[in-house]
Amino acid sequence: GQQLNQSPQSMFIQEGEDVSMNCTSSSIFNTWLWYKQDPGEGPVLLIALYKAGELTSNGRLTAQFGITRKDSFLNISASIPSDVGIYFCAGLYPDSWGKLQFGAGTQVVVTP
Amino acid sequence: ETGVTQSPTHLIKTRGQQVTLRCSSQSGHNTVSWYQQALGQGPQFIFQYYREEENGRGNFPPRFSGLQFPNYSSELNVNALELDDSALYLCASSSGMVGELFFGEGSRLTVL
Repeated sequence: GQQLNQSPQSMFIQEGEDVSMNCTSSSIFNTWLWYKQDPGEGPVLLIALYKAGELTSNGRLTAQFGITRKDSFLNISASIPSDVGIYFCAGLYPDSWGKLQFGAGTQVVVTP
Repeated sequence: ETGVTQSPTHLIKTRGQQVTLRCSSQSGHNTVSWYQQALGQGPQFIFQYYREEENGRGNFPPRFSGLQFPNYSSELNVNALELDDSALYLCASSSGMVGELFFGEGSRLTVL
């Protein structure tokens, strides 16, 4: 099926640094979602974006819905150890309440 | 508010067997989706249920089937298990209003 290109695949950063990751698609999505998944657990919703150009923050997290509706990015400012995990972007297919296309994930490792 | 709960958390089956996984949706959510997440990959959409009917399906064979009950809980059934069915199976619920999906912690299936 349609793939979302998520990059980078992994990041090793020092505590306090900012983190940036992005997703691109050849298809248009009406909603972009960002999730974080810890080992052995299900994805946890971080931010939802509903409108092209929308910029939304959730604490130290900021995400944007690209103008073309084919991309999105997520920034994490001033990283802390608990930011460790795998971050997934996901696009919600039009006319669907539950069909998401996920990216392959960005693994974030934070070192003290 | 009760979140999405799944059972069992872990199970081991052998090739050719059948498995049933269960999901209780978050309170107030009437739409349930199921995802398969292989190790190191993003979740892949299996299907979605709304009002006890399947109303969206990903690229999975018919031996993957499901049910949704009047209380919006759901089951995923997989027949004739194959080794490649080993994965984390995630259930997600949504209210159908804003496109946000909330995931359970998953059921880890190992097929030997």
